[in-house]
Amino acid sequence: EPEVTQTPSHQVTQMGQEVILRCVPISNHLYFYWYRQILGQKVEFLVSFYNNEISEKSEIFDDQFSVERPDGSNFTLKIRSTKLEDSAMYFCASSGGQTELAKNIQYFGAGTRLSVL
Amino acid sequence: AQSVAQPEDQVNVAEGNPLTVKCTYSVSGNPYLFWYVQYPNRGLQFLLKYITGDNLVKGSYGFEAEFNKSQTSFHLKKPSALVSDSALYFCAVRDENAGNMLTFGGGTRLMVKP
Repeated sequence: EPEVTQTPSHQVTQMGQEVILRCVPISNHLYFYWYRQILGQKVEFLVSFYNNEISEKSEIFDDQFSVERPDGSNFTLKIRSTKLEDSAMYFCASSGGQTELAKNIQYFGAGTRLSVL
Repeated sequence: AQSVAQPEDQVNVAEGNPLTVKCTYSVSGNPYLFWYVQYPNRGLQFLLKYITGDNLVKGSYGFEAEFNKSQTSFHLKKPSALVSDSALYFCAVRDENAGNMLTFGGGTRLMVKP
């Protein structure tokens, strides 16, 4: 069964450093997303990406964050200068197949746990 | 704005008994509703969805959920719980008219005891 894969599973970084979280969405999907979950809190939407541009973003997704689809398979989230409060589990998701209904199910990866020290 | 509430942090049931995990939502338009399950060290796994049609939807692993528009609820149910159902369950909503952003509830931990 196709799945969304994320690397690394755990990333440790120093405050102020740049990190790139990587995701390989399901191959025929057209919509890509990042969510995060701070420990003990809700899963929160960050950004959605379609047709090589951001289609929606939340207030959390400020200038420190950026997303990119550098090639036909990867989807990345970059945090330019990490802060302690960026420590969270980051989930990538993808959706969108050939039918309208398929568009509505978002399939999630296992997540990358980011620890900012 | 869209929101989801899962009023129970934890639900305990005995194996073989029916289970219910509650979810209520708020959207301005028509809701698209989802349940996801998270096992330890795993991602969010899709269980079932309500988009349109029958109010009772069936999903993976014997789970089902009932959409109730008047009560703005989408409770997850299973007739007979298994120990292996123990996990964290998330309800999520999308407003039909508000893009693809999912809004999640806080999650409910289901503990099924032998």
